[in-house]
Amino acid sequence: SQQGEEDPQALSIQEGENATMNCSYKTSINNLQWYRQNSGRGLVHLILIRSNEREKHSGRLRVTLDTSKKSSSLLITASRAADTASYFCAPNTGGFKTIFGAGTRLFVKA
Amino acid sequence: DADVTQTPRNRITKTGKRIMLECSQTKGHDRMYWYRQDPGLGLRLIYYSFDVKDINKGEISDGYSVSRQAQAKFSLSLESAIPNQTALYFCATRGLGTGELFFGEGSRLTVL
Repeated sequence: SQQGEEDPQALSIQEGENATMNCSYKTSINNLQWYRQNSGRGLVHLILIRSNEREKHSGRLRVTLDTSKKSSSLLITASRAADTASYFCAPNTGGFKTIFGAGTRLFVKA
Repeated sequence: DADVTQTPRNRITKTGKRIMLECSQTKGHDRMYWYRQDPGLGLRLIYYSFDVKDINKGEISDGYSVSRQAQAKFSLSLESAIPNQTALYFCATRGLGTGELFFGEGSRLTVL
């Protein structure tokens, strides 16, 4: 298992703008997952991208993966106030532990 | 009903008391996890279990113990609670395949 490092630590944008957050990791992965956590609530799985994929979409979410740079990005288009949350990446190396970084705190102003 | 249920959701206790946080799941997953989250920080792994006979320590197991009573139940105990164990505790399950985790809603513990 390994920990992903999210960047930036915090992001504040206006409603309607796009939000981009990044994740870096250290070793080869099987897949990488993104999770969202609303304040004080449990994490919710958003999207998974496999190591042989470069881009994946789910509604307003777009995830990219660059295995050569060991990095991923999560783009939320046309942000809404309800997108205000913390976002975590989880690189999966095939082990049984999932280690989380500190996440990116996104604040979307109405 | 939620797939992963944690009880209690909130608990205030005093230093030195024994506390048990319970987790039950209906997803049929073998793998279960306990995480701790402190304000503004990520989640740290306390213990994890692959089945009822397999318990493993995570990053921060000192001061905690667990019990896997059945495939569906995984409990976390604080034998003698101390104030720096005040935190939000999450239980999660994981199925085979992709490694996606399913979280409970959390148990907020305050130790005075």
